[in-house]
Amino acid sequence: QKEVEQNSGPLSVPEGAIASLNCTYSDRVSQSFFWYRQYSGKSPELIMSIYSNGDKEDGRFTAQLNKASQYVSLLIRDSQPSDSATYLCAVNPDTGRRALTFGSGTRLQVQP
Amino acid sequence: GAVVSQHPSRVICKSGTSVKIECRSLDFQATTMFWYRQFPKQSLMLMATSNEGSKATYEQGVEKDKFLINHASLTLSTLTVTSAHPEDSSFYICSDVGPPKETQYFGPGTRLLVL
Repeated sequence: QKEVEQNSGPLSVPEGAIASLNCTYSDRVSQSFFWYRQYSGKSPELIMSIYSNGDKEDGRFTAQLNKASQYVSLLIRDSQPSDSATYLCAVNPDTGRRALTFGSGTRLQVQP
Repeated sequence: GAVVSQHPSRVICKSGTSVKIECRSLDFQATTMFWYRQFPKQSLMLMATSNEGSKATYEQGVEKDKFLINHASLTLSTLTVTSAHPEDSSFYICSDVGPPKETQYFGPGTRLLVL
């Protein structure tokens, strides 16, 4: 079982819709969770971080964390074609190793 | 968020030559930096952890003698691909790690093409 799992997609949504991206992780002691966006040919950029159960909103983005279910999600409201990218879920495994553990990413396509 | 720079952004070299890539942490002193490699349409792959003032820690399967890492200062880590071959052609990305809560910030990446 992979440590951080994401559906590879592509997830296709129409412009203006809500895109829902999901991620599950295996290490129960994980404390910090991150969402990165990676455009084709570019490096990842940080979108959101979340550390506590519940929702965290930042503009059109909402991160949701449920530690009991080992599940973290990212909602993108009013999706725009410019949101089309690969979204990477990352988890701090809290093992003393500082590198985040990344999922393989979900490709999002927002159709105009 | 933190700012990380990489140089060069793109390099083309002949097989057998060595290529050095620089990664600079511009916002804070980074005792730890990471080096990743990404092949087309594939996931990020962690190559090594660069530690200021000490030896780098390499991931399993990454040749330390081929991918030389130096982290001589708190703001600069370098990755040297020695005797590069076409199969080393890839997108190399560094990151530093800092507040809050061990967030990783990525550089813009270096695209290496070995002919």
